[in-house]
Amino acid sequence: SSELTQDPAVSVALGQTVRITCQGDSLRSYYASWYQQKPGQAPVLVIYGKNNRPSGIPDRFSGSSSGNTASLTITGAQAEDEADYYCNSRDSSGNHPFFGGGTKLTVL
Amino acid sequence: QVQLVESGGGLVKPGGSLRLSCAASGFTFSDYYMSWIRQAPGKGLEWVSYISSSGSTIYYADSVKGRFTISRDNAKNSLYLQMNSLRAEDTAVYYCARDRRWLQLYYFDYWGQGTLVTVSS
Repeated sequence: SSELTQDPAVSVALGQTVRITCQGDSLRSYYASWYQQKPGQAPVLVIYGKNNRPSGIPDRFSGSSSGNTASLTITGAQAEDEADYYCNSRDSSGNHPFFGGGTKLTVL
Repeated sequence: QVQLVESGGGLVKPGGSLRLSCAASGFTFSDYYMSWIRQAPGKGLEWVSYISSSGSTIYYADSVKGRFTISRDNAKNSLYLQMNSLRAEDTAVYYCARDRRWLQLYYFDYWGQGTLVTVSS
């Protein structure tokens, strides 16, 4: 299957913890990766693999996975975390990557 | 540092053609798969195509198969996307991205700033 489902919008109070989820059959076989995109900017990789952060990504970002659901958790959300977040995986053939529809995170 | 710089976007009429380029620097280009990913205005991300490090393996999204051609020149550290028979629904910002894959891992670790393609009469 080549579908990843994300909640369209999520909000979190400043300093609180928020979890953004991504559901899809492919996640039973492949890890999700997560991207942050701010308005007018290119996406930035924030989590890949089991729970890996690229250099420069704050440790308040973490990832987890269970069954067909991957989660991106921001512990102690900051105003600068307000952005769109996309998950990514690939289909069962491994040849076609695809993205979730994105989650707009609002930090209140 | 890794840099990806796209160019070649612009306004084109339906049915027309355009060639996008992506200049890579800061890493050994010939060691990596590369992808094109697009984003229509106000919409989400859509993977378009990828090419293996040598250029021998190529895949396309169904939405562009038969119309778009991905290629690379490792001597010039450059990635290309030839887009033919363009449609209004191809209007998007096109990003090139470095494509990483290993066993259960799959991710795009570096992205260019994007180039806007507008298909309109």
